[in-house]
Amino acid sequence: GDSVTQMEGPVTLSEEAFLTINCTYTATGYPSLFWYVQYPGEGLQLLLKATKADDKGSNKGFEATYRKETTSFHLEKGSVQVSDSAVYFCASGGGTSYGKLTFGQGTILTVHP
Amino acid sequence: SAVISQKPSRDICQRGTSLTIQCQVDSQVTMMFWYRQQPGQSLTLIATANQGSEATYESGFVIDKFPISRPNLTFSTLTVSNMSPEDSSIYLCSVDQSGTIHGYTFGSGTRLTVV
Repeated sequence: GDSVTQMEGPVTLSEEAFLTINCTYTATGYPSLFWYVQYPGEGLQLLLKATKADDKGSNKGFEATYRKETTSFHLEKGSVQVSDSAVYFCASGGGTSYGKLTFGQGTILTVHP
Repeated sequence: SAVISQKPSRDICQRGTSLTIQCQVDSQVTMMFWYRQQPGQSLTLIATANQGSEATYESGFVIDKFPISRPNLTFSTLTVSNMSPEDSSIYLCSVDQSGTIHGYTFGSGTRLTVV
């Protein structure tokens, strides 16, 4: 079945540092790929998405590019802020898993001033 | 995107009892999904609920434990039956409003603690 693997955390950075959270996937067909964010005490929010190979999703300074050749969707941000502290989930959906999302294990990000 | 109202937002329940979680969407959607997020873990799909048919459960989840209703295109309930402390989790509903893979939206979740 489909699976998503994220780099293990937690990740701790200083403000303005560069962020990368790795994500790789296995899927039959051609899934869409997503990054969701869960801020402390809040629900799950879509951060960005990409629906086909070479698409780049971006939002709030975060970016991720759908790389079919490496089956990856790594999340990056050039300069993190304290307010970016949250749990980040990579997910895949569609393809033969139409209508369902498969989530990675989540990465806890803590940004210090 | 669709707006989802999920309630209760949290509850503390006695073991052996049942809790029904409600999910109301502000627009008609074909498919609704129920997920579980155990403490410190990722989200796992429990079942897919379509209006007018029985829910489809994922491996490891059964209807007797997690009965689901889907009476119309804007509403669904998930019941956690005969609860044990292992059922302590966040339960979330999700919708794919457009019928494609572009519109996944999640409710705010129900934080359940079983004592």
